[in-house]
Amino acid sequence: DAGITQSPRYKITETGRQVTLMCHQTWSHSYMFWYRQDLGHGLRLIYYSAAADITDKGEVPDGYVVSRSKTENFPLTLESATRSQTSVYFCASSAGAGTYEQYFGPGTRLTVT
Amino acid sequence: DQQVKQNSPSLSVQEGRISILNCDYTNSMFDYFLWYKKYPAEGPTFLISISSIKDKNEDGRFTVFLNKSAKHLSLHIVPSQPGDSAVYFCAANQAGTALIFGKGTTLSVSS
Repeated sequence: DAGITQSPRYKITETGRQVTLMCHQTWSHSYMFWYRQDLGHGLRLIYYSAAADITDKGEVPDGYVVSRSKTENFPLTLESATRSQTSVYFCASSAGAGTYEQYFGPGTRLTVT
Repeated sequence: DQQVKQNSPSLSVQEGRISILNCDYTNSMFDYFLWYKKYPAEGPTFLISISSIKDKNEDGRFTVFLNKSAKHLSLHIVPSQPGDSAVYFCAANQAGTALIFGKGTTLSVSS
C-alpha cells in the first residue's frame, strides 16, 4: 500500500525534449493534482483532475499537458522542456471536493539544461 | 496577486518555547484553511485544518486560530521540538477543489 508514488524521482533533460512525469495513487481518490515548487513561489497548481477524463487548468498550465485515462494515474508531460520548467514537481490526490485534505507524493526534481 | 500570504520566510525558536506561524489571505470566499508541513526531499504532509465557521482548532501540540475579520490565521506549536523544524505552508480552499498555497515559512527549532 504505497499510497501515492511519483517517478522518476530525479530527471535531467535537455531544452526542447519531451518529458513525462508519472503519478500513481492506490487510494482510488477521485481528485488528483500537479504542483510545482519554486523558491520564492511556494506551491503552484499546474493542472488538476476531478475524475478520469476530466482535467482542468490551474495557475501555471502553459507548457504542460495532462491526461487521466485511469483513476489511479495522472501523468504530466512537458511537451518541449524549457529551463524555466526546472523545478520540483509534486503530485497530490484527495477523496473528493468535500474532502479538503490532499495527500502528496514525494516529488520529482526536474532539471532542464 | 497573491491570495494567501506568509510574510515571514523564516522563524527561529528554542526548544520548549512557542512557535507562531502567521498567514494572511485576501479572498473572503475561502471556506477552509489548512497547514502543511514539509521536510526536505519529501512531499508536504497535512498537519491541521480549520473551517471558516470556527475560530480555533486544536490537535495535540498544534493549534490553529482563525480571525475572519482580519483575514488572518496562525499556527501555534507548543512546546516546539527540534523535529518540528520544517517548512510550513498555509493553504486556503474555495469550492472544495484546488488549494491555494502561501510561499511557506521555514521553522528552525534549536535544542
